[in-house]
Amino acid sequence: AQKVTQAQTEISVVEKEDVTLDCVYETRDTTYYLFWYKQPPSGELVFLIRRNSFDEQNEISGRYSWNFQKSTSSFNFTITASQVVDSAVYFCALSGVPGSARQLTFGSGTQLTVLP
Amino acid sequence: DTGVSQNPRHKITKRGQNVTFRCDPISEHNRLYWYRQTLGQGPEFLTYFQNEAQLEKSRLLSDRFSAERPKGSFSTLEIQRTEQGDSAMYLCASSAQGQGGEKLFFGSGTQLSVL
Repeated sequence: AQKVTQAQTEISVVEKEDVTLDCVYETRDTTYYLFWYKQPPSGELVFLIRRNSFDEQNEISGRYSWNFQKSTSSFNFTITASQVVDSAVYFCALSGVPGSARQLTFGSGTQLTVLP
Repeated sequence: DTGVSQNPRHKITKRGQNVTFRCDPISEHNRLYWYRQTLGQGPEFLTYFQNEAQLEKSRLLSDRFSAERPKGSFSTLEIQRTEQGDSAMYLCASSAQGQGGEKLFFGSGTQLSVL
């Protein structure tokens, strides 16, 4: 069984602050994929990043960065110099490979509010 | 716009009525997924199609739920004899075939309210 835990239900920061969203996962698979999706108020989930279980290299994309640590089963997401437009619900998700649980298993999400 | 399209955006119905939602995926995507999302929770997997074949169904998909993808293009999700517990956002997503870990493209969802 797969499980994704996002312990932070809500986070509020002031614009330009850095913020880290935590994600911890459980899986029995040796090969798996981790994702982050953003859900703005419009409701449509927007893909942010995908990492496979063999690639632990951290990734940076503009103000976004991700820290994947297999040893602690964590895949944390940091937004640097947050902006009001970053306000949304952020979901961490996990999927398997053919022969395993193909579908995405989502965490319960973290509501991020960036105040001006 | 060539994204995933879902209709209607909102549906209000009385308990016991049947409802049907439609999803039009991205045209070149052969995989289509249905998810359900309740307030304050992440989306939960319901079912998955590869072309017209329904390959996987969640235990969440009771006998009152049925999904089809007759020609491997659009899909419909029908809920019969709706119950108040069915109130949720129903999300559709599509992806291109891969070896796992495909990026899913989501629609904006259909918000169902059962009175």
